[in-house]
Amino acid sequence: EVQLVESGGGLVQPGGSLRLSCAASGFSVSSNYMNWVRQAPGKGLEWVSVIYAGGDTFYADSVKGRFTISRLNSHNTLYLQMNSLRPEDTAVYYCVGSMAGTIEDYWGQGTLVTVSS
Amino acid sequence: QSALTQPRSVSGSPGQSVTISCSGTSSDVGRFNYVSWYQQHPGKAPKLMVFDVTKRPSGVPDRFSGSKSGNTASLTISGLQAEDEADYYCCSYAGYSISRVFGGGTKLTVL
Repeated sequence: EVQLVESGGGLVQPGGSLRLSCAASGFSVSSNYMNWVRQAPGKGLEWVSVIYAGGDTFYADSVKGRFTISRLNSHNTLYLQMNSLRPEDTAVYYCVGSMAGTIEDYWGQGTLVTVSS
Repeated sequence: QSALTQPRSVSGSPGQSVTISCSGTSSDVGRFNYVSWYQQHPGKAPKLMVFDVTKRPSGVPDRFSGSKSGNTASLTISGLQAEDEADYYCCSYAGYSISRVFGGGTKLTVL
C-alpha cells in the first residue's frame, strides 16, 4: 500500500521560511516523479513543483526562485524548501507521487501552511 | 499555463446522471491521454476517481466514467447518490516542465 505523509507545515510570518517533508512508503521517491500541489483556503488545486527520477526540477511561475524541491533517496523522502513566503502562499500542501506513463497519482493527506503576521 | 475550464456548479436528483466538462487546449487535454478526475469532500484530501481518461482505481464504482473528445474531457456520474455531493476537479498532464494543470473545480449538488 502506498502511503505519503507530509509534515512541516505551520504558521510563519511573511518573508519567512519553512521546509515541508513527505515520507513515502510503498512508493519509491527516487524511481518515480514527485509533485507538490497546493490548495488555498476555499480555492482550487494548484500545481507547485515537480522532481523527476533523473533529478530535473520545475516550478510554477508563482513560486519560481523562492521554492526548492528536493529528495533524500536514502530516506525515501521528498522536501519542499519555501523561502520568502507571502500571504498568498497560505494553503494546504499535498505531496503527490506519480509513475511514468500514467496519471494515476498517489496523494498524501496534506499539511497546512499559514503565512501571516 | 492557464487552468482547465470547468463549470462552477452542476446539480442532479438521486438516480439521475450528470456530466462535468473540462476544457483544455491542444497543449494539455488534447495532446495527452493523461486526464484524471478527483472528488473532494470538505476538509478532505482529493480522491482519485478516474485516471488516464477512462480508467478507474480499484474501489471506485463504475457509476463514474470518463471520456475525452478533442480538447475537452468529461466525467459522467450515473445513478447519483447523496454521497456524490462534493467538489470535482479535472487534471491533465501538460508536458515535462509543467507536469500538471488543474481545472477550477465543479461543485456537484445532489438535490
